[in-house]
Amino acid sequence: DIQMTQSPSSLSASVGDRVTITCRASQSISSYLNWYQQKPGKAPKFLIYAASSLQSGVPSRFSGSGAGTDFTLTISSLQPEDFATYYCQQSYSIPYTFGQGTMLEIK
Amino acid sequence: QVQLQESGPGLVKPSGTLSLTCAVSGGSISSSDWWSWLRQPPGKGLEWIGQIYNTGSTNYNPSLKSRVTISVDKSKNQFSLNLNSVTAADTAVYYCARTSGNYWGAPFDYWGQGTLVTVSS
Repeated sequence: DIQMTQSPSSLSASVGDRVTITCRASQSISSYLNWYQQKPGKAPKFLIYAASSLQSGVPSRFSGSGAGTDFTLTISSLQPEDFATYYCQQSYSIPYTFGQGTMLEIK
Repeated sequence: QVQLQESGPGLVKPSGTLSLTCAVSGGSISSSDWWSWLRQPPGKGLEWIGQIYNTGSTNYNPSLKSRVTISVDKSKNQFSLNLNSVTAADTAVYYCARTSGNYWGAPFDYWGQGTLVTVSS
């Protein structure tokens, strides 16, 4: 199985801040990396696919980058609705695996 | 817009079988897509359980493969999960989700709202 490791596990930030979340794969996954946002009691919401492609309707303050084993999710200017838990997921090989999550909290 | 809805018992006894169904609306389960089950134990991360194509072809997570069966019912536009020999470790919110079959490496783009299944006597 490909292990996905996110950092940090939690992050406190303020509205308007720029934040970056990192995801590392245990082996190369090319660009088969997706990002999800999950709010308490809700299903995950798909944000970014293929490492850097924004899903339709997702605000442009979200961006993704990376290839191979190292990836980042950046939120350029945090909005109140962005406080949530973020997961990366590799879709390179089965079994599909997720990072452990990064909880983004209000400072 | 594809919508998915999980249903099934919220409580299962230890050593029993967990059975859930995911009803698909706004789209056809016979389309060129894969249909997955995932789960999330309370306060923890996401785990992919397995997936099925409309032909009945399946892929399972090796960690659960010996206990899992996923099946499809095209006449009802739904697919199902059976997980046997459950223990408290199988307590989780179970989600169904879709992956486009049009390209390799597609994300889980549509999700059900999730259903909590508790394993307890």
